[in-house]
This record gives sequence, C-alpha cells and structure tokens, in this order.
Amino acid sequence: RKEVEQDPGPFNVPEGATVAFNCTYSNSASQSFFWYRQDCRKEPKLLMSVYSSGNEDGRFTAQLNRASQYISLLIRDSKLSDSATYLCVVNLNSWGKLQFGAGTQVVVTP
Amino acid sequence: NAGVTQTPKFQVLKTGQSMTLQCAQDMNHEYMSWYRQDPGMGLRLIHYSVGAGITDQGEVPNGYNVSRSTTEDFPLRLLSAAPSQTSVYFCASTDRAAYEQYFGPGTRLTVT
Repeated sequence: RKEVEQDPGPFNVPEGATVAFNCTYSNSASQSFFWYRQDCRKEPKLLMSVYSSGNEDGRFTAQLNRASQYISLLIRDSKLSDSATYLCVVNLNSWGKLQFGAGTQVVVTP
Repeated sequence: NAGVTQTPKFQVLKTGQSMTLQCAQDMNHEYMSWYRQDPGMGLRLIHYSVGAGITDQGEVPNGYNVSRSTTEDFPLRLLSAAPSQTSVYFCASTDRAAYEQYFGPGTRLTVT
C-alpha cells in the first residue's frame, strides 16, 4: 500500500465551479501536510500548507482530518489557470521521510 | 532570483554511461534533496543532505551517488546508467523553518 494515496483524476471542472479532492496517508505519526501544484512538465510549487484547524488562501481551502488520516483541497470559482496536477505531501518531520502522492489532475474547461 | 538551478535540462545516455546532474541554490538553505518522478508514482527521494559534508540515502538510492562540498551545490552522479533510470529528476532545497521545498526545473533523462 502506498503511504500517500490520491485519486489521479482527471477531475473535469467547468469554469466557475467548485472542485474538491482528498489525499489519504497511512502513517498516523505524520506531522506536516502540504499541497503542491505541478503544471505539465514543470517543477512542483508549494500551493499551501495544511494546518490542523484548516486554512484558506483565497479560493483554496485545505482541511486536515487526523482521525481518518486524510487531507483535502477545495477550489472555489475555478479558473482556467487552475488546471494542473495537485500533489499531496506528508512529512514525518524527518528529512528522509517526506512522502509525495502521485497527484490529482484537475482540468478546468470553459 | 535564480533560486534552484539544474543542468542539463535534457540528456540522453546509453546503458553503462555515467554522468553528473548539477544542482545549485542561492538561498543559503542547509537542506537539499534529489527526487525522481515517474508516471503514476509521485516523487521519490533518492538522496538528501542536511548540510555541507553530510548526505544520506532516501527511498531509492541504488545506482546514484551524491556529495555536498558546499552549501550551494548538490550534484547527483549516475554511476552506470540503466534504462530503469529513465525519469525526470528534480533537485530541491528546503526552508528548514517551514519545510517548504523549492524545486529546480528538472532534468529529463533518457537511457537507451
């Protein structure tokens, strides 16, 4: 079983709509959680950290559910520029233990 | 702002050849790492370094060597290239306080 699992998608979303997807992790000792965005054939870039209380950054909302061991990302009012692959990253606070999910592809259509 | 730079951008090797992928950062980050990304598998950690002179193995270290003689540079050496090493390689440096990783643009390697 993979340590970090994501639905690969693609999630096809009309422009202006809301999309949400989850990422599950297997190690309950995981301490830090992040969402990265990766555009086609480009390097990953940090989108947002995920805090225990949940956090919002503009149109993006991230939630953490420790009991069920998943994090979620919600994108409101989707823009064409939101089309990308979203990577879930889980950190055990040890430098050899940063785990990346394989990514969820989001395609926003006009 | 150079951030993290990687060279070359593309490389084709024949089986058995060796080469070095270069990585440099100008953010004075102590932590640097190398990942490979394959379709459907996510990024996998090859080697990492917590400072000059200190390196350690990640999840998939076999066939690769690293060294860290300066804070800025973290080269990855392929000892004897194999087709299984065909991949996209990313170097990253990390803001220790926030664990935020800054990635280089990647090297696309094909081994024939």
